[in-house]
Amino acid sequence: EIVLTQSPGTLSLSPGERAALSCRASQSVSSSYLAWYQQKPGQAPRLLIYGASSRATGIPDRFSGSGSGTDFTLTISRLEPEDFAVYYCQQYGSSPHTFGGGTKVEIK
Amino acid sequence: EVQLVQSGAEVKKPGESLKISCKGSGYSFTTYWIGWVRQMPGKGLEWMGIIYPADSDTRYSPSFQGQVTISADKSISTAYLQWSSLKASDTAMYYCARLYFWSGYPFDYWGQGTLVTVSS
Repeated sequence: EIVLTQSPGTLSLSPGERAALSCRASQSVSSSYLAWYQQKPGQAPRLLIYGASSRATGIPDRFSGSGSGTDFTLTISRLEPEDFAVYYCQQYGSSPHTFGGGTKVEIK
Repeated sequence: EVQLVQSGAEVKKPGESLKISCKGSGYSFTTYWIGWVRQMPGKGLEWMGIIYPADSDTRYSPSFQGQVTISADKSISTAYLQWSSLKASDTAMYYCARLYFWSGYPFDYWGQGTLVTVSS
């Protein structure tokens, strides 16, 4: 089973700042089958990024994903008030399709 | 519009059985897989397993194998997650979500979640 480790656990930033979230895998993620989800309180997760770097439908271009192999990054170029949430990475190339523990982006 | 609508919140006692549901609409239900994800209170997401409603091919996470049963009824576009004997540690929010294939595709649409509370 692939273990995904997200860091930092919490990121305290101000609106307008840039956020960089890390996701490291215990072994190589095949074909960059790595996704990022956003979850706000009381809501279901929402797909942001798939294939490590492709934005899902309707996702603003301030969200971008990069990386390959075992190291992946989600970058939010300029934080909007609605971006403060918890973000999870998930690998979906090897069963079980494990999730990382999440990074909370909070308002500083 | 693609929708996954889950059954309502449940309050159960330890040892009781439970079956929760997830009804898909707005797409061909038998073309996609459905997965289940657990979120314990204040915790992260855990992938439980997936099912292909067209032929009921099912894959479980080792962590959940034998603990739950995933099934589907393609005639009514509904997937299920069931327990035969609930434990307090099953208290969690459970989400269903859609994926195009068992490998190589993420969860693209999610249900609203079903809160299961197990307490004596």
